[in-house]
Amino acid sequence: GAGVSQSPSNKVTEKGKDVELRCDPISGHTALYWYRQRLGQGLEFLIYFQGNSAPDKSGLPSDRFSAERTGESVSTLTIQRTQQEDSAVYLCASSLGGQGATEQYFGPGTRLTVT
Amino acid sequence: AQSVTQLDSQVPVFEEAPVELRCNYSSSVSVYLFWYVQYPNQGLQLLLKYLSGSTLVKGINGFEAEFNKSQTSFHLRKPSVHISDTAEYFCAVSKGGYQKVTFGTGTKLQVIP
Repeated sequence: GAGVSQSPSNKVTEKGKDVELRCDPISGHTALYWYRQRLGQGLEFLIYFQGNSAPDKSGLPSDRFSAERTGESVSTLTIQRTQQEDSAVYLCASSLGGQGATEQYFGPGTRLTVT
Repeated sequence: AQSVTQLDSQVPVFEEAPVELRCNYSSSVSVYLFWYVQYPNQGLQLLLKYLSGSTLVKGINGFEAEFNKSQTSFHLRKPSVHISDTAEYFCAVSKGGYQKVTFGTGTKLQVIP
């Protein structure tokens, strides 16, 4: 596709359930980021993938959160035993990730509501 | 570690007035700097970026930013704002190469008619 896509666009789940969010980056982009944006707040970094390097997981808020990426393509963010404080928009972004900074291209986000 | 500070969480300004959104960063090495904009109910998009060269960078929609190494700042300016500029603006920094990008907490610009 032409841009970063994310699915689902909206997800409502009950507290305690597991959810899986998907991100399809732009083809050829080696870098992929996940962010969380709570209502009225800024971007909270979660995890960063760069090529085949070990991901930077320093932003994951707890061990209930995990993410995987298959090569340089699709990534999934999994939240286990969801809590109400997990309600937020989860944004994915990709970039070329080469030498010299390149801009990030953001997906539309997945709005997660935990009831 | 690098970090970004956006001191102003909200900035109200009257239409056609000038505006400056402040951004300060901390890093012990050379950095690349970005401003992103998020319009209401839309995704983030790049407004402008500084990689090297001229310290005055021009972006889309009449915005510009000036890189000041001595003050470690990258403030965003527009001489005359429009209602359509109402959005949230995020400053970001990277060491470049394969280093991750760090975002500030954002500044909400509210343009008053």
